[in-house]
Amino acid sequence: GEDVEQSLFLSVREGDSSVINCTYTDSSSTYLYWYKQEPGAGLQLLTYIFSNMDMKQDQRLTVLLNKKDKHLSLRIADTQTGDSAIYFCAEEAGGGNKLTFGTGTQLKVEL
Amino acid sequence: DGGITQSPKYLFRKEGQNVTLSCEQNLNHDAMYWYRQDPGQGLRLIYYSQIVNDFQKGDIAEGYSVSREKKESFPLTVTSAQKNPTAFYLCASIVQGGNLDTEAFFGQGTRLTVV
Repeated sequence: GEDVEQSLFLSVREGDSSVINCTYTDSSSTYLYWYKQEPGAGLQLLTYIFSNMDMKQDQRLTVLLNKKDKHLSLRIADTQTGDSAIYFCAEEAGGGNKLTFGTGTQLKVEL
Repeated sequence: DGGITQSPKYLFRKEGQNVTLSCEQNLNHDAMYWYRQDPGQGLRLIYYSQIVNDFQKGDIAEGYSVSREKKESFPLTVTSAQKNPTAFYLCASIVQGGNLDTEAFFGQGTRLTVV
């Protein structure tokens, strides 16, 4: 079955870049997603990448996909205190609308 | 505005009681999902429904029940059989976009605490 893993914590200084990593096991993944969850809130879709792409850039966000290693990363440039949140990666595989989420990475941005 | 509404935001329940969490959407989406969130475990799928009057068990359905009598509503009942019900519950509706990508829209969540 599908399995998605992330490291639990990441701490960066304001202005630095953050890189959040995710690994997945299902090679039939079609789309991979990054969601952001702020304290006490639901999840917000940040960006996604199709499995035949290597990179996608959207303003301060860069998604890199290494399909051979089944590794996905989210880079946040010029990280701000407002970026402090939990970031979930998710994969869609096997058809249908079912998403499998990772464990979430808590990003803490320090001044 | 279109969206998903979960209520209540905080819920307290005594051990041995059933409790129902509400989820309503006005997005006209067919598919709705319930996830449970525990620290360090990500989101785990409880139940999902891809069409009215039909639903399937997810990965951790034991101790939960759902109904889908209307497209807009997908309530989740946490029964007394659920051994560890204290958690944050998220309802989602999921739609396939024009590029065949899937986007999930989430409610604000309900924090359930068993006392």
